[in-house]
Amino acid sequence: EVHLVESGGGLAQPGGSLRLSCAASGFIFSSYAMSWVRQAPEKGLEWVSVISGSGGSTYYADSAKGRFTISRDNSKNTLYLQMNSLRAEDTAVYYCAKGSYYDSQDYWGQGTLVTVSS
Amino acid sequence: DIQMTQSPSSLSASVGDRVTITCRASQGISSYLNWYQQKPGKAPKLLIYGASSLQSGVPSRFSGSGSGTDFTLTISSLQPEDFAAYYCQQSSSTPYTFGRGTKLEIK
Repeated sequence: EVHLVESGGGLAQPGGSLRLSCAASGFIFSSYAMSWVRQAPEKGLEWVSVISGSGGSTYYADSAKGRFTISRDNSKNTLYLQMNSLRAEDTAVYYCAKGSYYDSQDYWGQGTLVTVSS
Repeated sequence: DIQMTQSPSSLSASVGDRVTITCRASQGISSYLNWYQQKPGKAPKLLIYGASSLQSGVPSRFSGSGSGTDFTLTISSLQPEDFAAYYCQQSSSTPYTFGRGTKLEIK
């Protein structure tokens, strides 16, 4: 059974940093692209970033470019999102999700809340 | 970036109703269109990928159609558990943008 568990969320100050992790199990982690998607309070879904199975290719939303870095450790079956220069508008629940056909996301974690506030 | 326009933003319907939600892409995306359902406080759930392929385990009352720029999600006979938010997403090119969502409420 596929299982994704995010961690690392919490309170950060504007301009601060956080690193999110997503521990994966139940599938061959290195064979699948992985994404981060976020959802601000009472708002819709916003795709943040994706990384290929090998980690060799990464893509970002404009809102994340230059501030966030997606990475993965296939030996640990873990996905990461390093978030720097955090802003109030980065406050959201961050979900990790497994890639699937047509680059959809077929399995999602439960999410981790990031709050950026002074 | 490809913009996704989803309508309606909210919809009231009754159990047993047939419901259609539409999504329009700002440029052609072939069949790279996915639909998700999200219930309050829960992670999204993939319903349809590739515009019309039903994700494993999803009831057959859900169907998707379209290609190019215009897409629809249809629920043939609403069940109580279907009242939720629905989002389309294009995965033709990054950033993989979502529509703004449709909140399906009980009439």
